[in-house]
Order: sequence, then structure tokens, then C-alpha cells
Amino acid sequence: DVVLTQTPPTLSATIGQSVSISCRSSQSLLDTDGDTYLNWLLQRPGQSPQLLIYSVSNLESGVPNRFSGSGSETDFTLKISGVEAEDLGVYYCIQATHAPLTFGSGTKLEIK
Amino acid sequence: EIQLQESGPGLVKPSQSLSLTCSVTGYTLTSGYDWSWIRKFPGNKMEWMGYINYRGSTNYNPSLKSRISITRDTSTIQFFLHLNSVTTEDTATYYCAYRVWGGRNMVWGQGVMVTVSS
Repeated sequence: DVVLTQTPPTLSATIGQSVSISCRSSQSLLDTDGDTYLNWLLQRPGQSPQLLIYSVSNLESGVPNRFSGSGSETDFTLKISGVEAEDLGVYYCIQATHAPLTFGSGTKLEIK
Repeated sequence: EIQLQESGPGLVKPSQSLSLTCSVTGYTLTSGYDWSWIRKFPGNKMEWMGYINYRGSTNYNPSLKSRISITRDTSTIQFFLHLNSVTTEDTATYYCAYRVWGGRNMVWGQGVMVTVSS
């Protein structure tokens, strides 16, 4: 199975601060069809996960553009440019290039 | 708007079977993509369990292959999880989700907490 290693496990930020979360894969996530199926989810407290970014860098409809994704092959980053209070929760990277689909270990964002 | 809602018992005894239902509104199970079951263990660990796709084909996580079954009823727009021989390690919050493999337009249910305990 593909192992996704997320760092840091916990992040503490002030409102307005920019932060980044890393997701490193044990295998390249570039699919034979040319796409890279690496997505980012946010699970707010008491809520179900929601999609933020799909295919590395595409913003899901309705998601604020302070969220951005980048990376390729095995190294990916989610950046929040100007954290807001509603951004607290656990962030997951998730890959769907290789079966079985796997999740990162999660990064908990706390607001100072 | 697609919405998913899980239902089922919150407590299951060890060695018994776990059965959950995912009720879908705003869409049909045959229109496209995948309909998955995913669970979140105490802590943050998430595990994709398996899916049934729009054609009715299933794909399971090999870690569960001998214990899991996912079926559907297209007339009631529901799909089901059946997990045999549960242990305390199966204690988790169970989610149904749409298009987890597809990425874009992914939708999750609210989740149902299941405890395995005697």
C-alpha cells in the first residue's frame, strides 16, 4: 500500500498567518493517464471531511482561494495563505492513484 | 445536491456482524462513479474499506477482503456495508462517501460511530 507521510502532525497558527502542510508519498502518484490523484481534505470538529483540493492543485468549487496545493510525483504541499478561525481541524492528504486508496496520517491545525 | 446519511447500530458484540446503511438523496447509484465506505479510528487514522461503483462492481481493501461485503438497492437508493467477525479493533466512525476515487465533487455522509464491545 502507498504510505502518505504528513508533517507536521500538529500546527498552531495565529489568524492571518500563512502555513504549509507537507505530504510525502512512498511511491510516485503520477498515474499512467497523466493525472496525479492526490487530494486534500479538511475535517472540522464535529463535521465530516470535505474536499479542498483535487488532483494536486485544483480548488474544489466553493473552497476559498486562500487554500492552494502544489507538488508532483512524491512530494506535495497544501498552503493556507492567511489562516482564518474556520480553518481549524484535521487536514488529510489522500491518494487514489494506486489501489487501495490511502490517507495521510493527518495534520491538526489549531488556532492560537 | 447529493446528500448521504449513514444508519445502523451503535454497538456490536465481538465476533458478530456489523451492518450499516447509506441512504442517498439527490442522485442515483447508477449515474456514475464510486460509492465508498471509509472509517476513522479513534485518533486520526482513516481507512478506505471498499466501494460499489455505478455499474454494481465492487472493490475492497485487501486488508478486509475476507470480511467485507458492499451491496446496493438501486430502487431505494441505498448501499450497504456488511463486515463479518468484528473485533474491538473495528471500533470506529464509519462514513459513506461518493466519488472518493474521482476526487472532484466528493461528498461524505455525517458518519456513524460504531463500538465493538461485549
